[in-house]
Formats: sequence, C-alpha cells, structure tokens
Amino acid sequence: GNSVTQMEGPVTLSEEAFLTINCTYTATGYPSLFWYVQYPGEGLQLLLKATKADDKGSNKGFEATYRKETTSFHLEKGSVQVSDSAVYFCALSEPYNFNKFYFGSGTKLNVKP
Amino acid sequence: SAVISQKPSRDICQRGTSLTIQCQVDSQVTMMFWYRQQPGQSLTLIATANQGSEATYESGFVIDKFPISRPNLTFSTLTVSNMSPEDSSIYLCSVAINTEAFFGQGTRLTVV
Repeated sequence: GNSVTQMEGPVTLSEEAFLTINCTYTATGYPSLFWYVQYPGEGLQLLLKATKADDKGSNKGFEATYRKETTSFHLEKGSVQVSDSAVYFCALSEPYNFNKFYFGSGTKLNVKP
Repeated sequence: SAVISQKPSRDICQRGTSLTIQCQVDSQVTMMFWYRQQPGQSLTLIATANQGSEATYESGFVIDKFPISRPNLTFSTLTVSNMSPEDSSIYLCSVAINTEAFFGQGTRLTVV
C-alpha cells in the first residue's frame, strides 16, 4: 500500500542553521509528493510539491527533490528563521487518484533566535 | 485554489453526546474529505464525501460513529456520535483541486 515515513521530531535549530527533514515513501507507481506546513493555531497549507521523478519543488527558501531511486523527498532550507517554526508534513497522492492523500507523522521544527 | 470554512473552530463536549461539524467551500467540488488529527499525530482519512451518494469510509471508521452529509457541491457535515474522550482530536475538512489538497482551519474537539 501507500505510506509516508518522515523523521521524528521535534527538531530544534538556531536561526540561520541548515535544515533537513527526511521523508521516504512507499507507493505503487508514481505518486505526486508534497510538503505541507502547519503554523501554530492554523490549518495545513501547501509548502511545495513535485509531480514526477527528478522534479524539484521550491517555495520560501525551502526545497525538495523527488528521488525515485531512493523513494525520498527530503525537505531542505539553507538558513532557517524563527518564523519557520511549525509542523511539517510530507505527503503523497495516489498515482491514479490525485484526490487521495497519505500523510507522514509530521515533524515539529523549533527555531531559536 | 479553494477557501474552506469550518465551524465550530473548537468545542468541549460531554461524553455520550454528538457534535456536528460543518464545512463550506467557496467553489463546487465533487469530493470532500474528512480527516482526524489526534494530538501529536498525523492526519488520518476518515471518509470521502461524494455529492449524491453515500460517503466512503476508510478502514476503522464506520457510518454509525461518523455520519456524513453532502447535500450539495459546496457543503458537507461530519457528526461525531456518542463521543468518548478518545474522540478528542482536530477534525479537518479538505478538498483536492488540480492535485493539491486544501484544508479548513480544523475543529478542535475535547471530550470530557
């Protein structure tokens, strides 16, 4: 079946540090991959996405590359800010049913000034 | 894109009672989705609500516990029935448009 595994949190970093949040997936075929972010007290919102192998999604300084050979979609940012403190969810949508999503367990990021 | 309004945003309920959560979308969509996010956990899909037909429930969720209505293409309700403290969660309404999922703000339910 389809599933998403992401690294346990919380992750605590100092401002301007480099961020990596690991995400791997299991899927039949070629899913689309997503990172969603949930800021404190808010709903989930799309951060970035990639729909085919080797695609790189990017937004607000965050990047993730769809790696089919390693079934991974790791989230990276070169220099985090306090305002990036949130919970990050890796997700996939089924290859032939783009309406159905599977989410990882979420990784809480705390950025300290 | 889609703007989703959910209400109530939060509630504290007595065990054994029921709560109905409403979800309104600003555009017509074929399918609406209901998720549960338990404290510190990820999102779990409860069911898919199709307009004009019965909702489709995921494994572990049943209609008697989570009845869903879908009277038109912009609105759905989820009822959490005969609540127990284990039902304390955030409940989220979602739609998918152009391969992207959009979410409401969620309903934070506490059962005491």
